[in-house]
Amino acid sequence: AQSVTQLDSQVPVFEEAPVELRCNYSSSVSVYLFWYVQYPNQGLQLLLKYLSGSTLVKGINGFEAEFNKSQTSFHLRKPSVHISDTAEYFCAVISNAGGTSYGKLTFGQGTILTVHP
Amino acid sequence: EADIYQTPRYLVIGTGKKITLECSQTMGHDKMYWYQQDPGMELHLIHYSYGVNSTEKGDLSSESTVSRIRTEHFPLTLESARPSHTSQYLCASSESQGAWETQYFGPGTRLLVL
Repeated sequence: AQSVTQLDSQVPVFEEAPVELRCNYSSSVSVYLFWYVQYPNQGLQLLLKYLSGSTLVKGINGFEAEFNKSQTSFHLRKPSVHISDTAEYFCAVISNAGGTSYGKLTFGQGTILTVHP
Repeated sequence: EADIYQTPRYLVIGTGKKITLECSQTMGHDKMYWYQQDPGMELHLIHYSYGVNSTEKGDLSSESTVSRIRTEHFPLTLESARPSHTSQYLCASSESQGAWETQYFGPGTRLLVL
C-alpha cells in the first residue's frame, strides 16, 4: 500500500517570491512520483514526473522537484512565482512493482498555492 | 493539450434520479479511470478499465457502475442518486505501456444531489 502526505494545505506567497510545496510518501515498493496542477474549474494537468535517473526533475512553467529516497520526499519548487501559478497542486505516486496497486495513482490531499501581488 | 471530455460539467439533480456521467477520449488510450474528489481532499480512484470489456473497482468503494464498450468511451452511472454522492468526478486516461505513463484528466463533473 502507498500513501502520500502533502504537509501544507495552503501556501500563500507574494509574486516573484520562491515557493516550495512539500510532499512525503510511504510505500513498501518502488514508485514513480508525479506532481499535477489543477487550475480553477479545470482538470488536472501534469507538471512533472520522476521515473528514474537524476533526482532533480524539471517540469513545465518553471517548476522543478527533487526526489529524496532516504527522506521519501518529492518537494516541488519554483524560484519565482507568478499570479498565474495560483492553483491547487497534487503530489501522487504509482507503484512500478506490479501487484494490486500497479497502475493506480495515489494522491495527496492537495496544496492550494495563492500568489498575491 | 489532452483530448478528454466530460459532460455535463455541472449537474444538480434530485434524490433517487438515475444519472450518467459521460467521459470520452480521442487519444486511443486503453486505460481509463474515474476519480472522486471532495473539496479540499485527495482524489480517490473509484473505477478503472484496462481496455474494452474490462472494468475494475478502485480503492474507494462507490455505488456507481461503469461500462467500457468502446475504447474511447467510459461512462459512469448512478442508478439512484443520493446527497452522499455530491462530489466532483474526474475521468482520466493513459496509454497502456506501463505505470509511468501520464494520466490525462478531463475537466470534471461537479455533481450536486439535493
